[in-house]
Amino acid sequence: AQKITQTQPGMFVQEKEAVTLDCTYDTSDPSYGLFWYKQPSSGEMIFLIYQGSYDQQNATEGRYSLNFQKARKSANLVISASQLGDSAMYFCAMREGVEETSGSRLTFGEGTQLTVNP
Amino acid sequence: EAGVVQSPRYKIIEKKQPVAFWCNPISGHNTLYWYLQNLGQGPELLIRYENEEAVDDSQLPKDRFSAERLKGVDSTLKIQPAELGDSAVYLCASSLVGVTEAFFGQGTRLTVV
Repeated sequence: AQKITQTQPGMFVQEKEAVTLDCTYDTSDPSYGLFWYKQPSSGEMIFLIYQGSYDQQNATEGRYSLNFQKARKSANLVISASQLGDSAMYFCAMREGVEETSGSRLTFGEGTQLTVNP
Repeated sequence: EAGVVQSPRYKIIEKKQPVAFWCNPISGHNTLYWYLQNLGQGPELLIRYENEEAVDDSQLPKDRFSAERLKGVDSTLKIQPAELGDSAVYLCASSLVGVTEAFFGQGTRLTVV
């Protein structure tokens, strides 16, 4: 069974500062993918960044980077230069298996509510 | 390109009444998911389709929930009869085999009174 743990129910950051949102995972499958989604108050889940279990380098997408520490089973999201529009709920998720053959379920954590203060 | 479209956005019904939600995935996406999101929690998978086939429905409460994906395109999720505890957001998502991320719709917020 897979499990995602996000231990920070809420985080606060000052505008223009960097913030790290924690995520740890548990799986026995050697092949898996880790995702971060943003959910603003409008409700839509917005894909931010992806890290494959075999990827050698940490994923980056603009101001988002994923600090992947495989031995610790952690996949923390780092947001640099926070903006007011970054205020939202952030979810870490995991998918087991090999993507090329078929999809599989995304398992989500409980989420972290990020508030960016001006 | 249009994203995942869900309707209605909001629905209020009385308990014991039926309700249905509709989802149109991104064109060409063969995998479709229905997720349930309770307030303050992460989404939980209800059912996953590969084309027309439901390949993962282990968490769908089959006594009252049903889903279909005719012709492998759009999908309907039904609850009959609804209970107070069904109040939640129902999210639909789609993805393409070989592509990593799933794309979500805006969800349907259901309130059962």
